[in-house]
Amino acid sequence: GAVVSQHPSRVICKSGTSVKIECRSLDFQATTMFWYRQFPKQSLMLMATSNEGSKATYEQGVEKDKFLINHASLTLSTLTVTSAHPEDSSFYICSAVSAGSYNSPLHFGNGTRLTVT
Amino acid sequence: SQKIEQNSEALNIQEGKTATLTCNYTNYSPAYLQWYRQDPGRGPVFLLLIRENEKEKRKERLKVTFDTTLKQSLFHITASQPADSATYLCALVGNAGKSTFGDGTTLTVKP
Repeated sequence: GAVVSQHPSRVICKSGTSVKIECRSLDFQATTMFWYRQFPKQSLMLMATSNEGSKATYEQGVEKDKFLINHASLTLSTLTVTSAHPEDSSFYICSAVSAGSYNSPLHFGNGTRLTVT
Repeated sequence: SQKIEQNSEALNIQEGKTATLTCNYTNYSPAYLQWYRQDPGRGPVFLLLIRENEKEKRKERLKVTFDTTLKQSLFHITASQPADSATYLCALVGNAGKSTFGDGTTLTVKP
């Protein structure tokens, strides 16, 4: 149980275009989802916390107009990288917490490798 | 500011030996601490959770200790196997499930 599906796994886009990444909890309800960015040989950098039905909370230094997060249902959160630039190329990962279980482990998606040309 | 350090970027050991990974933290009082495994190009997978009032937790060949006085957690893999080769991340968990991750230690178990 507790499967998180992230799609797409890889995407290549041209500079200036927007890319949407989906994160779905397949067999549980997730009131909270987290979005991370990971550079090679580095750890997960939390970008934002997404709560179902409310605006996302962004970490310091993360542009909310650049990285649009929507959490419209208990099983789906999306991250849209707007007007992407080569420096946005990275590995983006989402995680989800079961509803009412803040002490539970995080369930991660398998990440999205974004390459902006 | 909060800081998490994992002992080394890379750890190489021989098959059958015990791997010991260290996670130290400062300026933080976590409710609990978690360990994850991450394989290349994949998302992390949860391994073990230990609470602040627990000293030790075991799961099969894995053992985690948590010393809130030293602000340190040790993660042990006994009878290591080449399949244990991966990057291991420690994470400190605060309010509402928000976690802060260490940079990870990449373990290589040689046959």
